[in-house]
Amino acid sequence: GAGVSQTPSNKVTEKGKYVELRCDPISGHTALYWYRQSLGQGPEFLIYFQGTGAADDSGLPNDRFFAVRPEGSVSTLKIQRTERGDSAVYLCASSPITGELFFGEGSRLTVL
Amino acid sequence: AQSVTQLGSHVSVSEGALVLLRCNYSSSVPPYLFWYVQYPNQGLQLLLKYTSAATLVKGINGFEAEFKKSETSFHLTKPSAHMSDAAEYFCAVRMYSGGGADGLTFGKGTHLIIQP
Repeated sequence: GAGVSQTPSNKVTEKGKYVELRCDPISGHTALYWYRQSLGQGPEFLIYFQGTGAADDSGLPNDRFFAVRPEGSVSTLKIQRTERGDSAVYLCASSPITGELFFGEGSRLTVL
Repeated sequence: AQSVTQLGSHVSVSEGALVLLRCNYSSSVPPYLFWYVQYPNQGLQLLLKYTSAATLVKGINGFEAEFKKSETSFHLTKPSAHMSDAAEYFCAVRMYSGGGADGLTFGKGTHLIIQP
């Protein structure tokens, strides 16, 4: 498709489990971003990739969160030992050199 | 550091009335500012952006915003509200990390309610 694609759209897991969320950016976009949006809040920055490398990971809340983009396209956000407080919508966005961010529809994570 | 403040978590207007959603920013560098809209269960869609050209920016769906440096504001307006405008609206400012311009810092959002 032409837009940013995120899978799964919904994920329900149990506390303590491992979760992977995938983002397929718009073809040709060099920059990729992960955000987290909790209920009633604005998107919160997590991490930003320029190409394959994480240019800024200052938003990752702790070391249970990790993200990769091995070939400079698809990215995976990985959450270890999930906690109930991790429940949120995880948004991915990509941008071309001009800098406008294009968002996917998000992956809703529920930790029971 | 850059930040935005959106005044009013909920704004209610009648159909056909003026829409005004407020956003104030804080930035140590000339800001790039954005308004995004989010409809229920959908991703964020760009409404408009200010990138240091014209201070009055026109966006999609009849929305516009005016950059006022003296007031550090970037309020969003629409002359006549439509029922389809009901959504969550986010103001955002460009972040700047060591490598240069990159992601966005968002406000907490304003929920726009349109009354028939």
